[in-house]
Amino acid sequence: EAGVAQSPRYKIIEKRQSVAFWCNPISGHATLYWYQQILGQGPKLLIQFQNNGVVDDSQLPKDRFSAERLKGVDSTLKIQPAKLEDSAVYLCASSPSDSTDTQYFGPGTRLTVL
Amino acid sequence: AQSVAQPEDQVNVAEGNPLTVKCTYSVSGNPYLFWYVQYPNRGLQFLLKYITGDNLVKGSYGFEAEFNKSQTSFHLKKPSALVSDSALYFCAVSTPEGFQKLVFGTGTRLLVSP
Repeated sequence: EAGVAQSPRYKIIEKRQSVAFWCNPISGHATLYWYQQILGQGPKLLIQFQNNGVVDDSQLPKDRFSAERLKGVDSTLKIQPAKLEDSAVYLCASSPSDSTDTQYFGPGTRLTVL
Repeated sequence: AQSVAQPEDQVNVAEGNPLTVKCTYSVSGNPYLFWYVQYPNRGLQFLLKYITGDNLVKGSYGFEAEFNKSQTSFHLKKPSALVSDSALYFCAVSTPEGFQKLVFGTGTRLLVSP
């Protein structure tokens, strides 16, 4: 079974530029998550989708971050414009659907904002 | 609000010795508890979880964890450490009412010396 796929793996941009990350969850998984992991910290949930609907986006900085999950499969996370403090690893995870289900993580995208 | 504490930034242990990585949690209601491991430039890999039932949970790679409700702890253990166990370990908690939202601790780096 293929795992969660993410691209790109690394991205370096200047502040005020825009960037987008892509995630393909495990086949059949209804729930998709985007996490932000700043160096030295644990992952922090940015947004959670159930199929193509948003369940939780309370910690998403909506003035600059946006995410979508068209057709309930792939997802993209966008930052526009980027700030220095957005430098982090962006992790995508997926799970079947039940609250007891395990979340499976992709390899992440390391973003550096200069 | 849910929270997780990992009181040790780093744990050092010699190969062949038992290891313990500590985790305490705070939730309203019943917790769902998880341990993940992160190797350099990799995403998080699931080790084990406690949902209900037996307080001693066995997981991947010989790891186990014990749920202690009175002490609100979920410490990760392994009887005999390997050098290859050296990595960053994260404890996380969710609740039945939390729509699978995982809250992570800050992580503990495990260093196993030969």
